[in-house]
Amino acid sequence: EDQVTQSPEALRLQEGESSSLNCSYTVSGLRGLFWYRQDPGKGPEFLFTLYSAGEEKEKERLKATLTKKESFLHITAPKPEDSATYLCAVQRHSGNTPLVFGKGTRLSVIA
Amino acid sequence: GAVVSQHPSRVICKSGTSVKIECRSLDFQATTMFWYRQFPKQSLMLMATSNEGSKATYEQGVEKDKFLINHASLTLSTLTVTSAHPEDSSFYICSARKERNSPLHFGNGTRLTVT
Repeated sequence: EDQVTQSPEALRLQEGESSSLNCSYTVSGLRGLFWYRQDPGKGPEFLFTLYSAGEEKEKERLKATLTKKESFLHITAPKPEDSATYLCAVQRHSGNTPLVFGKGTRLSVIA
Repeated sequence: GAVVSQHPSRVICKSGTSVKIECRSLDFQATTMFWYRQFPKQSLMLMATSNEGSKATYEQGVEKDKFLINHASLTLSTLTVTSAHPEDSSFYICSARKERNSPLHFGNGTRLTVT
C-alpha cells in the first residue's frame, strides 16, 4: 500500500529562519512526487513535480528535492505569507491516475 | 493555466436532506475528475474517480449509494451527498488534469456542515 508520511506535523519559524520539511514515501513504481500548498478553507495549489531521484525544482523561496525514499521542501528566508499547510503526494502509475497525500506540515512564519 | 471551479464553497443542510456539489473545468476538458474528502488536520482522502460518460469508481469504504457521482459532460462532474448525516460534515474537494501527465489541479473545496 502506498504511504506518504510528512514531518514535522507543525513548524513555527521566525521570519528569515530557513528550514526544511520532510516527506517520506513508500510506493511501488513512483511516477511522480508532488508538492502542494494549501491555505485554510482552500483547495491545494500546485507547487512542484519531481520525477526521479536527484531532481531539484525551485520557485522563489522554495526548493524541492527528491531521493529514492524521501523528498524535502526547503524554505529559505521565509516570510509570513509563506504560512500555509504544505502537502506532499505521490502518483504511482502514469497517466490520469489519482494522488495519495500525506497529512501535511502546517507552517507558521512569525514576523 | 488549468482552472477548476467548485460550487458552492459552503453549504449547511439538515440531517436527512441531500446536497449537490458541482465541479467544473473552466479552460479545459476533463474526461476524468477525482473527488477527495478532507477532515480537520487530516490528509486528503480519495473518495472516487469520476469518468465522463461512465460509472464512477469508488474507493473501498465509500458508499456509492450515498455519494452519487455524475460526470455528464467533459467539463462538469457533480457529487450528491444523499440523506446527509452529521458525520458527513467535511471538506469536499474535486480535482482534474488538463493533460494526461500534467499535475492535478484542485477546486477551492466545499465545506459541508450537516446539522
